[in-house]
This record gives sequence, structure tokens and C-alpha cells, in this order.
Amino acid sequence: DIVMTQSPDSLAVSLGERATINCKSSQSVLYSSNNKNYLAWYQQKPGQPPKLLLYWASTRESGVPDRFSGSGSGTDFTLTISSLQAEDVAVYYCQQYYDTQTFGQGTKLEIK
Amino acid sequence: QVQLVQSGAEVKKPGASVKVSCKASGYTFTSNAMHWVRQAPGQRLEWMGYINGDNDKTRYSQKFQGRVTITKDKSASTVYMEVSSLTSEDTAVYYCARGYYGTGDYWGQGTLVTVSS
Repeated sequence: DIVMTQSPDSLAVSLGERATINCKSSQSVLYSSNNKNYLAWYQQKPGQPPKLLLYWASTRESGVPDRFSGSGSGTDFTLTISSLQAEDVAVYYCQQYYDTQTFGQGTKLEIK
Repeated sequence: QVQLVQSGAEVKKPGASVKVSCKASGYTFTSNAMHWVRQAPGQRLEWMGYINGDNDKTRYSQKFQGRVTITKDKSASTVYMEVSSLTSEDTAVYYCARGYYGTGDYWGQGTLVTVSS
């Protein structure tokens, strides 16, 4: 299985500041035939199912605010929230779907 | 609007089986695969398997192969996920998620399965 490792495990950021979460895969999730990274990001709030934010590493799902962005390729990826809002407090997960699916351990984002 | 509505919470004894349902609406049922993902208390999300939308092809995580069965009833727009030989380590919230390029774009509300003697 492809192992996904996120850093940090938790993060506290002031309102309006930038939040950055990293995700590393144990092998490349870049499919050479279509040059797409099979990497997604989810947001999960307490008592709710995960919500898809980004797929193909950087494509924003419909309705997701543009303060959420994704970057990276191969094995190293980043989720950036450009200006943290109170409603962004949640646990964030990366997921690879290159070979079945595996998820990172999650990063808990809080307000400083 | 797309909705996935799962069956209610279950309490099972060790060694028993549980079958969770996921009723889809708001889209063409056969157009998308359906994945199952579980989340044990304090643990990361764990993919279990999926069933194709337009045929009955399934694929399972190696961890669950032989113990998990995913089926569907097209006439009822419902997908089922059955886990057998339950242990306390199967205590978790189980989610169905509509397949979208291999991710899950819509999720059910989750079904808590508690395994306790």
C-alpha cells in the first residue's frame, strides 16, 4: 500500500493568516500517461463526513472557496489556506487514489 | 441534489456480521462507483472497497478481502456493505462515498457500528 504521511499533526494559526499542511506519499502518485497527480484533500468537521476540497492535487471542487489551494507533484504535496477563517477549523486529510485509496493521518487545524 | 442516506447505528456481538445500506438519489445511480470508507475512533480514514456503477465489479482492500462484501440493488438505487466475523477493532463509523475520478465527492452521513460483548 502507498503510505501517506502528513505534517504537522496539528497546527494553530491566527485568523486571516496563512495555513500550510504538507503531505508526502511513499511512492509517486503521478501517472505519466496523463501527467496527473492522483492526490486529493478533504476537510472533516466534528460529527460530519469528510468534504472533498481538491483533486488532481490542485483542482478545486465546485463551491470550495478560492482561499484553498493545492500544489506539489510526485510524492510531495501542500494544502494552503491563504487567509484562515473561523469556519476552517477542522481536520484535513490527504488521500492518494493512484493505487486504490489511502489517507494521511490527518492534521488538526485550530485558531491561535 | 445528490444525497446518500445510510442505515442507522448497529450494535453487534463479536463474531457476528453487519450489513450497512446506502441509498442514493439525485443522480443516475449507474454512472458512478460507490466506495466504502471507515473511521475507527481517533484513527485515520480507511478505504475498504468499491463497486462499479454500471456493472457488479468490485474491488476490496487487501486488509478486508474475504471479510467484506459490497453489493447493490439497481432497482432501489442502494448499495450494501457487509462485514463478517466482527471484532472490537471493527468498531467504527462506516461511510459510503460516491466515486469521482477515484475520490469521493459526496458522502453519506455515516453509520456507527459498535462491536461489544
